[in-house]
Amino acid sequence: AQKVTQAQTEISVVEKEDVTLDCVYETRDTTYYLFWYKQPPSGELVFLIRRNSFDEQNEISGRYSWNFQKSTSSFNFTITASQVVDSAVYFCALSEANYGGSQGNLIFGKGTKLSVKP
Amino acid sequence: NAGVTQTPKFQVLKTGQSMTLQCAQDMNHEYMSWYRQDPGMGLRLIHYSVGAGITDQGEVPNGYNVSRSTTEDFPLRLLSAAPSQTSVYFCASSSISYTQYFGPGTRLTVL
Repeated sequence: AQKVTQAQTEISVVEKEDVTLDCVYETRDTTYYLFWYKQPPSGELVFLIRRNSFDEQNEISGRYSWNFQKSTSSFNFTITASQVVDSAVYFCALSEANYGGSQGNLIFGKGTKLSVKP
Repeated sequence: NAGVTQTPKFQVLKTGQSMTLQCAQDMNHEYMSWYRQDPGMGLRLIHYSVGAGITDQGEVPNGYNVSRSTTEDFPLRLLSAAPSQTSVYFCASSSISYTQYFGPGTRLTVL
């Protein structure tokens, strides 16, 4: 069965600290996609990144970086030099490439609430 | 290009009432879906559609109905609202890239 686990329910850091949000997933498919979404206090869901299962390269985008390791079924997200504007709930999600229609369905983790204090 | 739009933003219903949450997208995406978000539960899939005329159930479909008569619109109907349906509802759409883009959400309270 598919499952996404975000073990950290809440994290609190002081501005400029680095913080890593953990994500562990379970799937029997060999082809799948992993995502991170940000939900700021305003409530919308903002897409951050998509990774497919064949691409284990780490990615960096400004202060954000993602570490994908198939060996440990993890897709962790690091924010470097955190800022108050990073305060949000972050969701990790999994989509399996089941050809036939359900390939878009996302399985979400329960989210990690990040609070960045000034 | 408005992306994914949802109406209304807020709604209060009484138990037993019915209503329709509207969702529209202007990106010509084939895939659309509805999720509900409850505290501590993440988001859970209610129904989805892979194209006009095709819908299917997700993880938590009971009490909800959908139809997809056009590519652009994917309304969610609550047949007889219950307090357990108090939640925030998100509509999403995606192309073949698998990346889903979400609407702003509808906060529903059932008394």
